[in-house]
Amino acid sequence: GAGVSQTPSNKVTEKGKYVELRCDPISGHTALYWYRQSLGQGPEFLIYFQGTGAADDSGLPNDRFFAVRPEGSVSTLKIQRTERGDSAVYLCASSLNQGALNEQFFGPGTRLTVL
Amino acid sequence: AQSVTQPDIHITVSEGASLELRCNYSYGATPYLFWYVQSPGQGLQLLLKYFSGDTLVQGIKGFEAEFKRSQSSFNLRKPSVHWSDAAEYFCAVVHYGGSQGNLIFGKGTKLSVKP
Repeated sequence: GAGVSQTPSNKVTEKGKYVELRCDPISGHTALYWYRQSLGQGPEFLIYFQGTGAADDSGLPNDRFFAVRPEGSVSTLKIQRTERGDSAVYLCASSLNQGALNEQFFGPGTRLTVL
Repeated sequence: AQSVTQPDIHITVSEGASLELRCNYSYGATPYLFWYVQSPGQGLQLLLKYFSGDTLVQGIKGFEAEFKRSQSSFNLRKPSVHWSDAAEYFCAVVHYGGSQGNLIFGKGTKLSVKP
């Protein structure tokens, strides 16, 4: 596809369950970012990949959150033992290379609702 | 720590009127600054960015922004608003140094346009 895609677009789960959110970046983009946007807030950085490795995971709120990018393209954000406070829109962005000079292209997001 | 402040949560303007959205940042050195727009159901789209040089930057859709170091501001302007500009606008600064590119966003300003 031409842009960043994210699946599913909506996910409703129960407290305590495990969820996976998928991001397909623009083909050829080496940098990939995950952000979380809570209601009434701006996006907050979670984790950044350069290629296959997580170059910066300082934004992950706790060890229930984990992300992978095994082949340097698709990334999966994994949340264990979900809590109601995890409800938010999870945004993925990719850029051609790392660094501020490279524009980040955002996907439409996955809206996660934890009941 | 770096931060971005958007003082106005919600602004309403009449179609054809001028617009100014405020953004203040905290960062000791020259920041890399961005404005993004988020329409319902759409991903974040980059409007414009400032890295260095001319402090008045032009973006897409007729928007411009001016970097004022003395005021730590990067306000977004448009001389004549169109109904299609109704959306949420986010100011962002790149994390220290910009080598990775992860963004710090403000809380956003929601723009409504009256006919």
